[in-house]
Amino acid sequence: SAVISQKPSRDICQRGTSLTIQCQVDSQVTMMFWYRQQPGQSLTLIATANQGSEATYESGFVIDKFPISRPNLTFSTLTVSNMSPEDSSIYLCSVAGTADQETQYFGPGTRLLVL
Amino acid sequence: ILNVEQSPQSLHVQEGDSTNFTCSFPSSNFYALHWYRWETAKSPEALFVMTLNGDEKKKGRISATLNTKEGYSYLYIKGSQPEDSATYLCAPGFQKLVFGTGTRLLVSP
Repeated sequence: SAVISQKPSRDICQRGTSLTIQCQVDSQVTMMFWYRQQPGQSLTLIATANQGSEATYESGFVIDKFPISRPNLTFSTLTVSNMSPEDSSIYLCSVAGTADQETQYFGPGTRLLVL
Repeated sequence: ILNVEQSPQSLHVQEGDSTNFTCSFPSSNFYALHWYRWETAKSPEALFVMTLNGDEKKKGRISATLNTKEGYSYLYIKGSQPEDSATYLCAPGFQKLVFGTGTRLLVSP
């Protein structure tokens, strides 16, 4: 399995500001993903972070709002831009493509509250 | 858009009780079904990845079955313990997972 860390673990932010969340994996992985869970909702995929190219966004998510970087095979960032209270969620990164090809491993999440 | 349903939404049992949850998903274009256990403030923990119709997997007191033809999976916990308290999530798919809203289990001593 992969060991995944995220920073920050939680934050409280003012509306209109931006927050960048970091995801670090202890080994090189093929695939990295970003999910969010809004209060009372299911865990929802935001985008696939592609190494060396632009992220692939799911329906309802756009690059201007959630810019993603992936400079190498062990690290990715997600920025939540121009935040509003509706962005209050748990944001998780996940990885796939380790020795166990079928299992996806998750980080501990970043709990974001936007006031 | 996949519609993944989990029931019950929440469950409160006593220590030692056995319990089970249901995950329903579209049976068409099935690839795999994932079960996760998510405790507050921790990473979702992968329990099972199931791919074959009729498959049954076991991990300690937890087991799961899969019916891909009718589109459902059951998760069973035998002799629940307080440390089993968590939200149990299922997600069909490959890499791009679509999650249900989960079953929140509370086990009282």
